[in-house]
Amino acid sequence: GQNIDQPTEMTATEGAIVQINCTYQTSGFNGLFWYQQHAGEAPTFLSYNVLDGLEEKGRFSSFLSRSKGYSYLLLKELQMKDSASYLCAVRDRNQAGTALIFGKGTTLSVSS
Amino acid sequence: EAQVTQNPRYLITVTGKKLTVTCSQNMNHEYMSWYRQDPGLGLRQIYYSMNVEVTDKGDVPEGYKVSRKEKRNFPLILESPSPNQTSLYFCASSPRAGGRETQYFGPGTRLLVL
Repeated sequence: GQNIDQPTEMTATEGAIVQINCTYQTSGFNGLFWYQQHAGEAPTFLSYNVLDGLEEKGRFSSFLSRSKGYSYLLLKELQMKDSASYLCAVRDRNQAGTALIFGKGTTLSVSS
Repeated sequence: EAQVTQNPRYLITVTGKKLTVTCSQNMNHEYMSWYRQDPGLGLRQIYYSMNVEVTDKGDVPEGYKVSRKEKRNFPLILESPSPNQTSLYFCASSPRAGGRETQYFGPGTRLLVL
C-alpha cells in the first residue's frame, strides 16, 4: 500500500530557515508535489519533483531522493505569511486514475 | 480567469436531506476529482473522473455519487447525508491524469450535517 509521513507541527521564527521532511512508500512512484494550505483555504501548488535532486523556486526549494523515498521542502527567509499547512503528495501510477496520495500535512507556525 | 468554482461555500443541513455540491472549471481540463479533508486525516479522494462520462471511486466513496455529463462540471451528490459526512470538501481539476501537471483546487465547501 501507500504511506506518506510528515511531521504534524513545526515552529520557527521570522527570517529563519525551516525544512519540512516527507517520507513515502509507494509501489509506482511517479512524482511528488508540495502544496501550501492556509487555514480554511484551498491547497495551492508549490513544487514538483520527479527526478532526484533539488528544485529551487525563489524562497522555496524541494528535494527528492527516490532511492530513500524521501523529500523535503526548504523555506528560507521565513515570513509571517508562511504560517500554513504544507502538504506532501505522491503520484502513484499503480493507483487507480494515477491519483495523488496526500500526507496529513505539517502545520508550520512562524513567530516574530 | 482560470479557476475552479464550487457552490455552495458553506452549507448546514439535516440528516437525510439530499444535497448537491456543484463544481465547475473553465480550463478545459479532462481530469476532475473530489476530496474531503478532516482534522488528522488529511485530504482523501472521494471520486474522480478521467473525462466526460468516465467516473470512478476514490478511497472514501461510500455515501457519495458523482456525474460528469459535461467536461466543465463535476457535481458531488449526497443522497442521504449523515453527520459523519460533516467535512470540508474540495473539488480539483488538472489537464489530464498523471504527469507533472498540478491539480487546481476549488475554494472548498464546508458542510455541517446535523
